[in-house]
Amino acid sequence: DAKTTQPPSMDCAEGRAANLPCNHSTISGNEYVYWYRQIHSQGPQYIIHGLKNNETNEMASLIITEDRKSSTLILPHATLRDTAVYYCIVRAMDSNYQLIWGAGTKLIIKP
Amino acid sequence: DGGITQSPKYLFRKEGQNVTLSCEQNLNHDAMYWYRQDPGQGLRLIYYSQIVNDFQKGDIAEGYSVSREKKESFPLTVTSAQKNPTAFYLCASSILYGNSYEQYFGPGTRLTVT
Repeated sequence: DAKTTQPPSMDCAEGRAANLPCNHSTISGNEYVYWYRQIHSQGPQYIIHGLKNNETNEMASLIITEDRKSSTLILPHATLRDTAVYYCIVRAMDSNYQLIWGAGTKLIIKP
Repeated sequence: DGGITQSPKYLFRKEGQNVTLSCEQNLNHDAMYWYRQDPGQGLRLIYYSQIVNDFQKGDIAEGYSVSREKKESFPLTVTSAQKNPTAFYLCASSILYGNSYEQYFGPGTRLTVT
């Protein structure tokens, strides 16, 4: 079973910041938080990952709470092309490289 | 361009027939993966391979078989023993070492069995 909980769907206005929450209250000390997204009928795309510090790249920012039990993915200026299902995944670096996928959050960007 | 290719994009088969899905990568990745996705659900791991001539079962391997004769190629065969083969199949690859194991995905093959 997936070790994360995400809302099934969210809306965001185009040009605004999209904040996607993820609950991972049972996360272990050696587990990273990964975010992927899947645009309809395409393969998932890696977005960002982090352990305990906040991370930023050209696509998004990842904010992880101090107790590491939850995190938020931020898309700073959402566009219509950001409409997708966003998956939050936790995995240990010493695992057998498997990712356990939940159902994700369907993010709809509205004009 | 480096990436993962899957073919065909759409595949139709009659019940009782085996079918092989192609996956090729030119990213020089050691690890490759096959996932199945049903409507409205996340991905479920079928098989993965970390090295040539070796592969491991995932959560839902029954009714599927794979081979890894070349680093670049990881074909998946959906056998007639798979009870509900109609699904979206995704292939992925990744590096094995380092502190980042992001998986790169192909475009997927949508298999319909009637």
